[in-house]
Amino acid sequence: AQKVTQAQTEISVVEKEDVTLDCVYETRDTTYYLFWYKQPPSGELVFLIRRNSFDEQNEISGRYSWNFQKSTSSFNFTITASQVVDSAVYFCALSEARGATNKLIFGTGTLLAVQP
Amino acid sequence: NAGVTQTPKFQVLKTGQSMTLQCAQDMNHNSMYWYRQDPGMGLRLIYYSASEGTTDKGEVPNGYNVSRLNKREFSLRLESAAPSQTSVYFCASRDRRDNQPQHFGDGTRLSIL
Repeated sequence: AQKVTQAQTEISVVEKEDVTLDCVYETRDTTYYLFWYKQPPSGELVFLIRRNSFDEQNEISGRYSWNFQKSTSSFNFTITASQVVDSAVYFCALSEARGATNKLIFGTGTLLAVQP
Repeated sequence: NAGVTQTPKFQVLKTGQSMTLQCAQDMNHNSMYWYRQDPGMGLRLIYYSASEGTTDKGEVPNGYNVSRLNKREFSLRLESAAPSQTSVYFCASRDRRDNQPQHFGDGTRLSIL
């Protein structure tokens, strides 16, 4: 069965600190996709990144970076020099690659509070 | 760019009432999804429609029905609302090519008294 675990329920940091959000996944598929979504206090879900299981290259986008390690089944998300606007709930998600369904299995989310 | 539009944004129902949540997307996506979000549980899939004319159950389908009215619209119906269905409901759509990400609507906050 597929499962995504985000063990950190809440994290509080002070602005400009770096913070890493952990994501551990379980799947029997050899081909799969991993995602991160951001849910700000306004409630919408914003897509951040997609990574397929064959691409273990880390990715950097501005202050955001992602570390994908198949050996540990982890897909961690780091925010460098955090800002108050980064305060949100962050969800990690997994989807199968077979067929057309591509259902997303979400973790329970990590609430990040960035204090000024 | 409208993207995925959900109506209504808020609704309060009494136990036993029925209600249809509407979702429409203007991105010409084939696949559409309904999720519910509850505190501490992330988002869970209720139903999905891989393409026009097909619907399938997700993880938590009990108490719900869906209709894929056409390629743009995918509605979720509660026939007899129960307090356990108090939640935030999200609709999403996706281009089927190459596992593109799902795009979400802004959600419907539903309270059942």
